[in-house]
Amino acid sequence: GAGVSQTPSNKVTEKGKYVELRCDPISGHTALYWYRQSLGQGPEFLIYFQGTGAADDSGLPNDRFFAVRPEGSVSTLKIQRTERGDSAVYLCASSDNGVASVGGTYEQYFGPGTRLTVT
Amino acid sequence: SQELEQSPQSLIVQEGKNLTINCTSSKTLYGLYWYKQKYGEGLIFLMMLQKGGEEKSHEKITAKLDEKKQQSSLHITASQPSHAGIYLCGAPTGGYSTLTFGKGTMLLVSP
Repeated sequence: GAGVSQTPSNKVTEKGKYVELRCDPISGHTALYWYRQSLGQGPEFLIYFQGTGAADDSGLPNDRFFAVRPEGSVSTLKIQRTERGDSAVYLCASSDNGVASVGGTYEQYFGPGTRLTVT
Repeated sequence: SQELEQSPQSLIVQEGKNLTINCTSSKTLYGLYWYKQKYGEGLIFLMMLQKGGEEKSHEKITAKLDEKKQQSSLHITASQPSHAGIYLCGAPTGGYSTLTFGKGTMLLVSP
Protein backbone atom coordinates (compact mmCIF):
# COMPACT_ATOMS: atom_id res chain seq x y z
CA GLY A 1 0.00 0.00 0.00
CA ALA A 2 0.96 3.64 -0.30
CA GLY A 3 3.18 5.07 2.39
CA VAL A 4 3.47 8.63 3.66
CA SER A 5 4.14 11.05 0.84
CA GLN A 6 5.45 14.60 1.00
CA THR A 7 5.54 17.34 -1.58
CA PRO A 8 7.58 18.99 -2.84
CA SER A 9 10.67 16.84 -2.35
CA ASN A 10 12.84 19.94 -2.62
CA LYS A 11 12.02 23.60 -2.16
CA VAL A 12 14.36 26.53 -2.63
CA THR A 13 13.05 29.91 -1.57
CA GLU A 14 14.36 33.37 -0.88
CA LYS A 15 14.63 34.78 2.61
CA GLY A 16 11.40 36.46 3.63
CA LYS A 17 9.14 34.38 1.37
CA TYR A 18 6.23 32.17 2.43
CA VAL A 19 6.29 28.41 1.88
CA GLU A 20 3.86 25.52 2.27
CA LEU A 21 4.90 21.92 2.72
CA ARG A 22 2.39 19.14 2.22
CA CYS A 23 2.05 15.74 3.85
CA ASP A 24 -0.24 12.89 2.76
CA PRO A 25 -0.37 10.32 5.57
CA ILE A 26 -1.22 6.67 5.26
CA SER A 27 -4.93 6.31 4.71
CA GLY A 28 -6.82 5.84 7.95
CA HIS A 29 -4.03 7.01 10.23
CA THR A 30 -5.44 9.42 12.79
CA ALA A 31 -2.14 10.67 14.17
CA LEU A 32 0.18 12.89 12.15
CA TYR A 33 3.52 14.35 13.20
CA TRP A 34 5.86 16.96 11.78
CA TYR A 35 9.57 16.88 12.55
CA ARG A 36 12.48 19.00 11.39
CA GLN A 37 15.93 17.56 10.78
CA SER A 38 18.97 19.77 10.45
CA LEU A 39 22.23 18.52 8.98
CA GLY A 40 23.98 16.12 11.32
CA GLN A 41 21.11 16.09 13.82
CA GLY A 42 18.27 13.76 14.64
CA PRO A 43 14.71 14.81 13.83
CA GLU A 44 13.17 17.35 16.21
CA PHE A 45 9.47 17.30 16.99
CA LEU A 46 7.42 20.25 15.75
CA ILE A 47 3.71 19.46 16.02
CA TYR A 48 1.36 16.51 16.48
CA PHE A 49 -2.20 16.18 15.19
CA GLN A 50 -4.82 13.77 16.45
CA GLY A 51 -7.54 13.95 13.83
CA THR A 52 -8.08 17.56 12.80
CA GLY A 53 -6.76 19.17 15.94
CA ALA A 54 -3.23 19.99 16.98
CA ALA A 55 -2.85 18.03 20.20
CA ASP A 56 0.68 19.24 20.83
CA ASP A 57 2.37 22.18 19.07
CA SER A 58 5.06 22.72 21.67
CA GLY A 59 7.84 22.04 19.18
CA LEU A 60 7.01 24.89 16.81
CA PRO A 61 9.97 27.28 17.11
CA ASN A 62 8.01 30.54 16.80
CA ASP A 63 4.83 32.07 15.43
CA ARG A 64 6.15 32.05 11.85
CA PHE A 65 5.39 28.33 11.80
CA PHE A 66 1.85 27.06 11.52
CA ALA A 67 0.29 23.75 10.50
CA VAL A 68 -3.22 22.64 9.62
CA ARG A 69 -5.04 19.40 9.00
CA PRO A 70 -8.59 20.54 8.14
CA GLU A 71 -10.10 17.19 7.19
CA GLY A 72 -8.05 14.92 9.38
CA SER A 73 -5.93 13.52 6.57
CA VAL A 74 -3.62 15.79 4.53
CA SER A 75 -1.60 18.29 6.52
CA THR A 76 0.16 21.47 5.45
CA LEU A 77 3.05 23.05 7.30
CA LYS A 78 3.25 26.77 6.63
CA ILE A 79 6.27 28.96 7.21
CA GLN A 80 6.01 32.73 6.95
CA ARG A 81 8.89 35.18 6.42
CA THR A 82 11.38 32.36 5.97
CA GLU A 83 14.86 32.73 7.41
CA ARG A 84 18.10 31.00 6.43
CA GLY A 85 17.98 29.12 9.73
CA ASP A 86 14.77 27.43 8.60
CA SER A 87 16.76 25.43 6.05
CA ALA A 88 16.36 21.76 6.96
CA VAL A 89 14.60 18.58 5.96
CA TYR A 90 10.99 18.60 7.14
CA LEU A 91 9.71 15.11 7.89
CA CYS A 92 6.15 13.99 8.29
CA ALA A 93 5.06 10.78 10.01
CA SER A 94 1.72 9.12 10.67
CA SER A 95 0.51 6.35 12.94
CA ASP A 96 -2.66 4.47 13.78
CA ASN A 97 -3.11 6.32 17.02
CA GLY A 98 -0.94 8.73 18.90
CA VAL A 99 -2.90 8.81 22.13
CA ALA A 100 -1.29 6.56 24.67
CA SER A 101 -0.06 6.46 28.18
CA VAL A 102 3.64 7.00 28.66
CA GLY A 103 5.25 4.32 26.65
CA GLY A 104 3.08 4.69 23.59
CA THR A 105 3.69 1.82 21.28
CA TYR A 106 2.45 3.09 17.98
CA GLU A 107 4.90 2.78 15.14
CA GLN A 108 5.37 6.01 13.23
CA TYR A 109 5.73 5.70 9.48
CA PHE A 110 7.86 8.44 8.00
CA GLY A 111 7.69 10.12 4.63
CA PRO A 112 10.79 10.92 2.53
CA GLY A 113 10.84 14.53 3.69
CA THR A 114 10.94 17.93 2.03
CA ARG A 115 14.36 19.54 1.80
CA LEU A 116 13.87 23.28 2.32
CA THR A 117 16.66 25.66 1.40
CA VAL A 118 16.31 29.35 2.19
CA THR A 119 18.76 31.53 0.28
CA SER B 1 13.67 17.17 28.94
CA GLN B 2 14.90 13.81 27.81
CA GLU B 3 18.13 13.56 25.84
CA LEU B 4 19.45 10.60 23.89
CA GLU B 5 23.14 10.25 23.24
CA GLN B 6 24.33 7.87 20.54
CA SER B 7 27.80 6.42 20.23
CA PRO B 8 29.81 6.26 18.17
CA GLN B 9 28.89 9.24 15.98
CA SER B 10 30.24 7.42 12.95
CA LEU B 11 31.64 4.03 12.20
CA ILE B 12 33.46 2.41 9.30
CA VAL B 13 33.61 -1.36 9.30
CA GLN B 14 34.81 -3.93 6.83
CA GLU B 15 32.15 -6.08 5.23
CA GLY B 16 31.53 -9.19 7.28
CA LYS B 17 32.51 -7.64 10.61
CA ASN B 18 30.20 -7.23 13.59
CA LEU B 19 29.40 -3.87 15.15
CA THR B 20 27.45 -2.29 18.01
CA ILE B 21 25.78 1.10 18.31
CA ASN B 22 24.69 2.45 21.68
CA CYS B 23 21.92 4.81 22.72
CA THR B 24 21.97 6.24 26.25
CA SER B 25 19.09 8.19 27.74
CA SER B 26 19.21 10.90 30.41
CA LYS B 27 15.96 9.53 31.84
CA THR B 28 14.23 6.17 32.21
CA LEU B 29 13.09 4.83 28.89
CA TYR B 30 9.47 3.78 28.54
CA GLY B 31 10.07 2.62 24.99
CA LEU B 32 12.87 2.82 22.49
CA TYR B 33 12.65 2.85 18.72
CA TRP B 34 15.43 2.17 16.24
CA TYR B 35 15.23 3.65 12.75
CA LYS B 36 17.53 3.60 9.75
CA GLN B 37 17.85 6.52 7.37
CA LYS B 38 19.51 6.82 4.00
CA TYR B 39 20.33 10.13 2.34
CA GLY B 40 17.28 11.70 0.76
CA GLU B 41 14.93 9.17 2.29
CA GLY B 42 12.69 9.00 5.28
CA LEU B 43 13.22 6.92 8.38
CA ILE B 44 12.76 3.18 8.08
CA PHE B 45 11.44 1.48 11.20
CA LEU B 46 13.67 -1.33 12.45
CA MET B 47 12.26 -2.34 15.81
CA MET B 48 10.75 -1.16 19.05
CA LEU B 49 11.64 -2.21 22.60
CA GLN B 50 9.55 -1.66 25.70
CA LYS B 51 10.52 -3.87 28.54
CA GLY B 52 13.79 -3.87 30.44
CA GLY B 53 15.90 -6.76 29.25
CA GLU B 54 13.87 -7.12 26.07
CA GLU B 55 15.78 -8.22 22.99
CA LYS B 56 14.51 -8.31 19.41
CA SER B 57 16.08 -9.45 16.19
CA HIS B 58 15.37 -8.84 12.54
CA GLU B 59 17.57 -10.58 10.02
CA LYS B 60 21.11 -9.77 11.17
CA ILE B 61 20.17 -6.86 13.41
CA THR B 62 19.57 -7.32 17.15
CA ALA B 63 18.52 -4.63 19.60
CA LYS B 64 18.33 -4.79 23.36
CA LEU B 65 17.00 -2.55 26.11
CA ASP B 66 18.97 -2.89 29.30
CA GLU B 67 17.41 -3.86 32.62
CA LYS B 68 17.64 -0.37 34.07
CA LYS B 69 15.95 0.95 30.95
CA GLN B 70 18.31 3.80 30.28
CA GLN B 71 20.35 2.32 27.47
CA SER B 72 19.79 0.38 24.31
CA SER B 73 22.26 -1.27 21.97
CA LEU B 74 21.94 -2.23 18.32
CA HIS B 75 24.14 -5.03 17.10
CA ILE B 76 24.73 -5.98 13.48
CA THR B 77 26.25 -9.35 12.71
CA ALA B 78 28.30 -9.95 9.56
CA SER B 79 27.75 -6.44 8.18
CA GLN B 80 26.93 -5.92 4.51
CA PRO B 81 27.04 -2.83 2.29
CA SER B 82 23.24 -2.74 2.49
CA HIS B 83 23.54 -1.98 6.20
CA ALA B 84 25.17 1.37 5.47
CA GLY B 85 23.19 4.42 6.56
CA ILE B 86 22.35 6.51 9.60
CA TYR B 87 20.93 4.69 12.60
CA LEU B 88 18.69 6.73 14.87
CA CYS B 89 17.27 5.86 18.26
CA GLY B 90 14.08 7.57 19.40
CA ALA B 91 12.13 7.56 22.65
CA PRO B 92 8.47 8.50 23.20
CA THR B 93 7.96 11.49 25.47
CA GLY B 94 4.91 12.77 27.22
CA GLY B 95 1.48 11.29 26.92
CA TYR B 96 1.62 11.03 23.18
CA SER B 97 3.95 9.15 20.93
CA THR B 98 6.00 12.13 19.87
CA LEU B 99 9.59 11.00 19.69
CA THR B 100 12.83 12.49 20.92
CA PHE B 101 15.75 11.34 18.78
CA GLY B 102 19.46 10.96 19.21
CA LYS B 103 21.77 12.61 16.69
CA GLY B 104 22.34 9.36 14.85
CA THR B 105 25.24 7.08 14.05
CA MET B 106 26.53 7.02 10.51
CA LEU B 107 27.62 3.56 9.41
CA LEU B 108 29.79 2.88 6.39
CA VAL B 109 30.56 -0.67 5.32
CA SER B 110 33.60 -1.10 3.13
CA PRO B 111 33.78 -4.03 0.69
